Formats: sequence, C-alpha cells, structure tokens
Amino acid sequence: ETGVTQTPRHLVMGMTNKKSLKCEQHLGHNAMYWYKQSAKKPLELMFVYSLEERVENNSVPSRFSPECPNSSHLFLHLHTLQPEDSALYLCASSRVRGGWHEQYFGPGTRLTVT
Amino acid sequence: KNEVEQSPQNLTAQEGEFITINCSYSVGISALHWLQQHPGGGIVSLFMLSSGKKKHGRLIATINIQEKHSSLHITASHPRDSAVYICAVVYNTDKLIFGTGTRLQVFP
Repeated sequence: ETGVTQTPRHLVMGMTNKKSLKCEQHLGHNAMYWYKQSAKKPLELMFVYSLEERVENNSVPSRFSPECPNSSHLFLHLHTLQPEDSALYLCASSRVRGGWHEQYFGPGTRLTVT
Repeated sequence: KNEVEQSPQNLTAQEGEFITINCSYSVGISALHWLQQHPGGGIVSLFMLSSGKKKHGRLIATINIQEKHSSLHITASHPRDSAVYICAVVYNTDKLIFGTGTRLQVFP
C-alpha cells in the first residue's frame, strides 16, 4: 500500500465511450503524474501537475484530458479512444515535482479499448 | 535505441542464486532510480542513487556515473523477488527516462 489509490482497476470501453480514471493520494504530496505503460515499452510520462497546475504535457492526444481539482485528486478523462490506447495507466505522486524526489505509484488501471 | 537500456530483458534463477541486473544510459544524469513492479502492476521505489553504492536488506545498487552504468544485485534470491525491475534516470533535474525493465522469475 503506497498511499496512492486508483479506480477502476480494470476498464473495458468501446471507441465511442467516455470514461474517467481516478487517482487519489493520501500523502500530502504536491505533484501528481499520469503515466502510460504499454507492453514491452518504457513508461511514458503523459502529464505532470504541480500544486494543481499542469506543468507538463508530453504531446498526448487530445482524446486524453487530465483534471486536477485539488492536490489530492487527479483524473484522466477518456473519449473516442483507439485500440492502441489499450495499456496500463499509472498515477504517481511526489512531495514536490522533480526527478530527484521519490515517486509513489498507484496500482494502475488496466484499460482495454475494443 | 532507447536512452536507457537494461539487460537482460528476461532472467530466470533458482532460489538462493545471486542476481545482477544492468542499466546503461547515454545521457548525462544527476541520479538514477531502481523500481520494482509486481505482477499486479503497482510500482515501488527501491533506491535512488547518484554515486557509489546503496544497500537495503538483500538488495544492493551501484552506479558509475563516468561509465554511465548502474547495477542492481539481489543476494540469496527468493521467489517473492519475482517482478519486473525498472531503471529510471534523472535527466535535466526534473525529467525521468525509464528503461523497458528486466523481468525476473525466481523458482523454488
């Protein structure tokens, strides 16, 4: 138990659906991250929020839309996804933003797009 | 070619064996993380190091900044060590670049 929770743990959605992934951290951290992990590929950083402000968006398609209403919660809104978006989506948090700081990961949401 | 390369990609071992996982990188870094990912998906941080060596229980991590290389060693391996081990380098102070991971299976 890392103090970072994600829901749902598994999600199957059609290409025309709209769904949201939720992440919550109970660690008092100020930075939160969304990562995508595809088979046989390194983790890809998607978005970074620091103090509820988006500070990084790594060329992610607009069908992924993040939201950070407060420093404890992070959402990833999904719409009109493609089959190649099927992956494990991991949320992480750290005390402050920066690679020097240990990131605490959630268990991930396994997404399948049909 | 990835900026962070791990070897081997897959590793099997018998319980009790000494295990080494390697990480090489091509960019200048300020620190390096070793992470462990269990089959359920969750990732935990094992070490962060910027020089020398760190030890935690049966795990030892070393780094040679000049040679752009780090190793993770597991002594007296156990089936519960079976996981994917991921190396991530700290680039430009705030960016993490991840390797593809080494899948380790330890058999009783």
